[in-house]
Amino acid sequence: KAGVTQTPRYLIKTRGQQVTLSCSPISGHRSVSWYQQTPGQGLQFLFEYFSETQRNKGNFPGRFSGRQFSNSRSEMNVSTLELGDSALYLCASSPGTSGLPYEQYFGPGTRLTVT
Amino acid sequence: DAKTTQPPSMDCAEGRAANLPCNHSTISGNEYVYWYRQIHSQGPQYIIHGLKNNETNEMASLIITEDRKSSTLILPHATLRDTAVYYCIVRDVGDYKLSFGAGTTVTVRA
Repeated sequence: KAGVTQTPRYLIKTRGQQVTLSCSPISGHRSVSWYQQTPGQGLQFLFEYFSETQRNKGNFPGRFSGRQFSNSRSEMNVSTLELGDSALYLCASSPGTSGLPYEQYFGPGTRLTVT
Repeated sequence: DAKTTQPPSMDCAEGRAANLPCNHSTISGNEYVYWYRQIHSQGPQYIIHGLKNNETNEMASLIITEDRKSSTLILPHATLRDTAVYYCIVRDVGDYKLSFGAGTTVTVRA
C-alpha cells in the first residue's frame, strides 16, 4: 500500500496570507489527524476527521481549520498567518474505528515558513 | 499533560540492544502504551503498542511490567539508522489523538 502523502512538502508564505495543506491517507483509512511540530512546543494535536466529520479538536485558534472529503483526503487551512505558525505540519492516517487500539501512520510533513 | 516520563537522552553502541525505559504510573485499564520514533525532520514512525502482555514485531519488543506502571522498548540490534527521538505514549482506545511528550533522543554510535 502507498503511504500517507502530503503536499506541498515545503512552503514559504508572508504574514497575513492564508495557506492550504493537503493530505492523502492510506487507502482504506477513514481517519485523518493533523499535528503541528515546532521546536518550542513539540508535537501538538490540531484536529481529527473521520468520515468527513471533525471528531476531535486540539487547543488551537480558529484560524486553523480543516475538512475531509468523501474519498478521505483532507485539507487544513491556516488564515491570517503569523510568524509563530512556522512549523512542520504532519498528517496521520488510521482506520479510525472507535473502540479499537489502532495505530496512526504519519506522512512526511509540510514545512511551512512564514516571513 | 504528559502521562509518561522518559529519560531525555541515551547512547547505544551499534549492534548492541537498546533498552528504552518509560514510566506511566497513572495509566488506567483502558490505556495502551504506544511507541513511535522520529528521525530528524521526518514524520513519526509507528513502532509497536501493547496493553499488558509483552509484544514483539519485526522492529522491536515491548515489555510491560505486571502492574503496567512502566515499560521498556527493546531494539535488539541497534544500527546507526535507529538514531532518532523515541516517544512513549499512553492512549485510551476512546482517544483519537496521540499526546507526544519530549521523548528520548537515542544516539547509536559506531
